[in-house]
Order: sequence, then structure tokens, then C-alpha cells
Amino acid sequence: DQQVKQNSPSLSVQEGRISILNCDYTNSMFDYFLWYKKYPAEGPTFLISISSIKDKNEDGRFTVFLNKSAKHLSLHIVPSQPGDSAVYFCAASVVNTGANSKLTFGKGITLSVRP
Amino acid sequence: NAGVTQTPKFQVLKTGQSMTLQCAQDMNHEYMSWYRQDPGMGLRLIHYSVGAGITDQGEVPNGYNVSRSTTEDFPLRLLSAAPSQTSVYFCASSSFRQEYSPLHFGNGTRLTVT
Repeated sequence: DQQVKQNSPSLSVQEGRISILNCDYTNSMFDYFLWYKKYPAEGPTFLISISSIKDKNEDGRFTVFLNKSAKHLSLHIVPSQPGDSAVYFCAASVVNTGANSKLTFGKGITLSVRP
Repeated sequence: NAGVTQTPKFQVLKTGQSMTLQCAQDMNHEYMSWYRQDPGMGLRLIHYSVGAGITDQGEVPNGYNVSRSTTEDFPLRLLSAAPSQTSVYFCASSSFRQEYSPLHFGNGTRLTVT
């Protein structure tokens, strides 16, 4: 049973436009959420996170929104750049088991930003 | 600053062979873990450790062994490789000293079992 779902396997956007990557979760115990970015032949790198006590967290061009009632989060990238082309993983954890440790990942979304 | 180092980068094994995937981190992180990435499956947790001498199973532990004799190293052992273990393996670490410290990943080991 997949607890973190990224239902769209890919997304293509024009450079300069907004990219919206979606993620849904089923486990109501999850209270910390992260996005990781992965380039080919490299390991995932941390991008941005959000605790369940917030509904929005912003870091430069990246904003993560959390809707707890819908068990849904999204990553917005504005403006999108060709260097943002990568696989994006959504991940979730339960804080009292180690917010930064035992992560459950989604399958990933491949983002392509067209010049 | 090396971060998380995994060796080898690539490995081909025959069914039934054994091998150890090495992982070392130089950040003095307490937590270390192993994930495998398969097409269409995302990253799945194999084993993890919260400190030297302490290990536990993740989501897909069968066929793998781990040990944690030092803070720095967390090797993953395949005792009898099977084609189903063909995958990309990632080691990751994080600190418990900082709340919400994110996982730092190595660059992976691509394993093929024929």
C-alpha cells in the first residue's frame, strides 16, 4: 500500500512559467514532509520541507503548500529554469520517529523545463 | 568535505554471489540508512541505524544484512545475490543534533545481478 503518491510521472513546462508538482499521502500520522531533487547518476538532494503545523514554506523560487485536510502537498517552482529539469521526490515522516530519518518516498515526478 | 561516499559506483554479480556495498560519511551523523531505487517504485528503505551497534529493518530488508561498528561506516551485504536485487542503491545519513536535519545521500551504486 503506497502511503505517498505522486500520480503524475512527468511534467513539461516552458522556461519562465510556473511548475506545480503534486503529492498525496494516506497515512494521517505523517507530520513532516520534504521534497528532494535528483539528477541522473547523482543521489537525491534536499530541496525544501514543511512541518504539519504550517501550510506554506517558501525558499527563493520554491514554495511548498500543505493541505492537511486533503492530505495533499504541492511544490511550486517560479520561475522555472532549464536547470530545474530533474526527478522530484516527495517524502514524508512521523516526527517522533525522527523527522529527518525514516522517510517514506513517492515514486517521483520527472520535470522537464523547455527553453 | 566528502559527505556520503559510496563504493563501488557500478557492480555486476552473478546469481548466488555475495558482495558488500560500502558507505562512509564524514559528518559525524548518528543516523544512516540504505535505500534502493527501482523504476516506477521510488526509493524504498532497506535497513537503517540510529547509532553504532544499533540497526533495524526498513520496508524491504529481505536478502540484505547490515552492521554498524563505527559512526562513519554502514556497509550493506548481499549474501546470495538474486536478479530481483538489480537496482540502484543509495546510502544516506543525517544528524539528530539538529531538528529536521535532512538526509544527505551518496551518489549511489548501480548493481546488476545476472
